[in-house]
Amino acid sequence: DTGVSQDPRHKITKRGQNVTFRCDPISEHNRLYWYRQTLGQGPEFLTYFQNEAQLEKSRLLSDRFSAERPKGSFSTLEIQRTEQGDSAMYLCASSRSRQNTEAFFGQGTRLTVV
Amino acid sequence: AQKVTQAQTEISVVEKEDVTLDCVYETRDTTYYLFWYKQPPSGELVFLIRRNSFDEQNEISGRYSWNFQKSTSSFNFTITASQVVDSAVYFCALSEGGSNYKLTFGKGTLLTVNP
Repeated sequence: DTGVSQDPRHKITKRGQNVTFRCDPISEHNRLYWYRQTLGQGPEFLTYFQNEAQLEKSRLLSDRFSAERPKGSFSTLEIQRTEQGDSAMYLCASSRSRQNTEAFFGQGTRLTVV
Repeated sequence: AQKVTQAQTEISVVEKEDVTLDCVYETRDTTYYLFWYKQPPSGELVFLIRRNSFDEQNEISGRYSWNFQKSTSSFNFTITASQVVDSAVYFCALSEGGSNYKLTFGKGTLLTVNP
């Protein structure tokens, strides 16, 4: 399977704990995106990488959130001191960098903070 | 700021009916892209179509067709002869500035096709 892969698919954590999610993009894609989707809403943009450079971060990405893409391949999204409001589906997507190209999404990581 | 409105929260149809999903967008840019994605229960967003702001031609792909009208800022999606497998949440999305990377999504329309 050469699609976007996310791990884990589901995560349940206690409030205050740290969590980390991983995304493996399609291998030839140098753009990588993180989105967050809450119940009944469309995905909301969080951040975007071009290779290893994080080029934009949404205001939604508070100081407790950090994303990395150390070698321009896989990416991690860490949430520190989780809060119940962090419960959501976290979606990763990747695309080529040229214009006129669509983003391919993974199946997401569903986070539940209890 | 850009905005995408999908006024229909839920639609329920019987198999073989035609159904149109509405999408209205707001943007200040003259260059932008519009998208439709399908999200089945598995959660993965499946790309359906991309349209740039300079191409107002309607498009047909099998049972799917899209109607783009800049005059009304709408990009509607029609499924002809719907099937149970079409049941999913459908999202309309917009990206500005020609960069084609940051998508603003609508809230989605849940389509249920009953046998």
